[in-house]
Amino acid sequence: QKEVEQDPGPLSVPEGAIVSLNCTYSNSAFQYFMWYRQYSRKGPELLMYTYSSGNKEDGRFTAQVDKSSKYISLFIRDSQPSDSATYLCASYGQNFVFGPGTRLSVLP
Amino acid sequence: SAVISQKPSRDICQRGTSLTIQCQVDSQVTMMFWYRQQPGQSLTLIATANQGSEATYESGFVIDKFPISRPNLTFSTLTVSNMSPEDSSIYLCSAKLAGHEQYFGPGTRLTVT
Repeated sequence: QKEVEQDPGPLSVPEGAIVSLNCTYSNSAFQYFMWYRQYSRKGPELLMYTYSSGNKEDGRFTAQVDKSSKYISLFIRDSQPSDSATYLCASYGQNFVFGPGTRLSVLP
Repeated sequence: SAVISQKPSRDICQRGTSLTIQCQVDSQVTMMFWYRQQPGQSLTLIATANQGSEATYESGFVIDKFPISRPNLTFSTLTVSNMSPEDSSIYLCSAKLAGHEQYFGPGTRLTVT
């Protein structure tokens, strides 16, 4: 079992939809959780960074961590075509572990 | 946050040669990392570069093939040695801040012919 699992997609949604991206992890030592957005031919960009369980909101983005079920989510409200990218979840305990990424397309 | 730059942004190299990739961070950081990413794939950690000590390599990566330098707290280099077409990939450097956030450079796209 991989330490961080993520549905690779691709996921296609219409503009304006609410997008839900999800990861599960297996290591209870993970304390910090991140979401990265990666556009084609670019480096990953840190979107959200959370510590332990709970929600964190930044504009149209909400990151949610449920440590009891080892579940990480990223919600994107009012999705835009510019949100089309690959989204990677990551966890940190003693080292960083990345999910494989979900490719998202927001169609105009 | 941190701003990270990499040079070169891309290169096409001949088999058997070596390429050194430079990574510059706009602030002092303790830990820097080098990753490889194949198109459409996730990140594979090559090594962790700590200032003042030898780099720590992940399974499958060796110092003779990927020598790393870390002369100070803002700079690191990765050399891809004796290249073969299998080394064609995107190479990314990153830096970890004190709060465990990790920031990435824009990547170096390497093609080996």
